[in-house]
Amino acid sequence: DQQVKQNSPSLSVQEGRISILNCDYTNSMFDYFLWYKKYPAEGPTFLISISSIKDKNEDGRFTVFLNKSAKHLSLHIVPSQPGDSAVYFCAASDVGANNLFFGTGTRLTVIP
Amino acid sequence: KAGVTQTPRYLIKTRGQQVTLSCSPISGHRSVSWYQQTPGQGLQFLFEYFSETQRNKGNFPGRFSGRQFSNSRSEMNVSTLELGDSALYLCASSWPTSEANTGELFFGEGSRLTVL
Repeated sequence: DQQVKQNSPSLSVQEGRISILNCDYTNSMFDYFLWYKKYPAEGPTFLISISSIKDKNEDGRFTVFLNKSAKHLSLHIVPSQPGDSAVYFCAASDVGANNLFFGTGTRLTVIP
Repeated sequence: KAGVTQTPRYLIKTRGQQVTLSCSPISGHRSVSWYQQTPGQGLQFLFEYFSETQRNKGNFPGRFSGRQFSNSRSEMNVSTLELGDSALYLCASSWPTSEANTGELFFGEGSRLTVL
C-alpha cells in the first residue's frame, strides 16, 4: 500500500524552463513532507521540506507547494539546469513517527 | 565531517545464504534508519534505531533484522536470502533526538545486494 505516490516516473524539461514534479499522499496524518534528490551510485540527498502548517516553502531555485485538502504537493525548479537531472523522491512522515514514507521517484532530465 | 559510510558497497550472494550490512552514521548522530530500494517500489522503510533500541519497524518479514551498537554504528542482517531481496540497501542517520525524527535524513551510498 503506497501511501506516497509519484505518478510520473519520468519528466524531460528544456534548460531554463520550469520543472514541476508532483506527489500525492493518502495518509491525512502526514504532517511533514520532504524532497530528496538522488544521483546514480549515490545516496539520496535532502533538498527541501515543508511542514503541514505551511503551504509554500522556497529555497533558491526550489519551491515546494503543499495542498493539504487535495493531499498533494509539488516541487518547482526554476530555472532548470542540466545538473538538476536526477531522480527526485517525495517523502512524508506522520506525527510521532520515526520513519519516512517515500514515493517511487520521478526521473528528471534537463535537456541543454 | 565524514558522511554516512556503508560497507560493503556491492555484494553477490546465492539463495539461502545470509548477509550482514554495516553502517557508520555521521559522528554525533544517534538515529540510524535502514531502507530498501528496488525498481518501481521506491524506498521502503525497514527499521530505525535510536540509542541501541529499535523504535520502529517496517513491513518486512522476520528474515530482516538489525541492531545498533553503543557507538551508534548499525548492522542489518538478512537471513535465508531470496531472489527478491536483490536491492540497494540504504542507511540514513539523523540528529540526536529522543523524539520522532521528522527532519532531514543523511543517506549513505548504499549496499547493492544481488541474490543469484
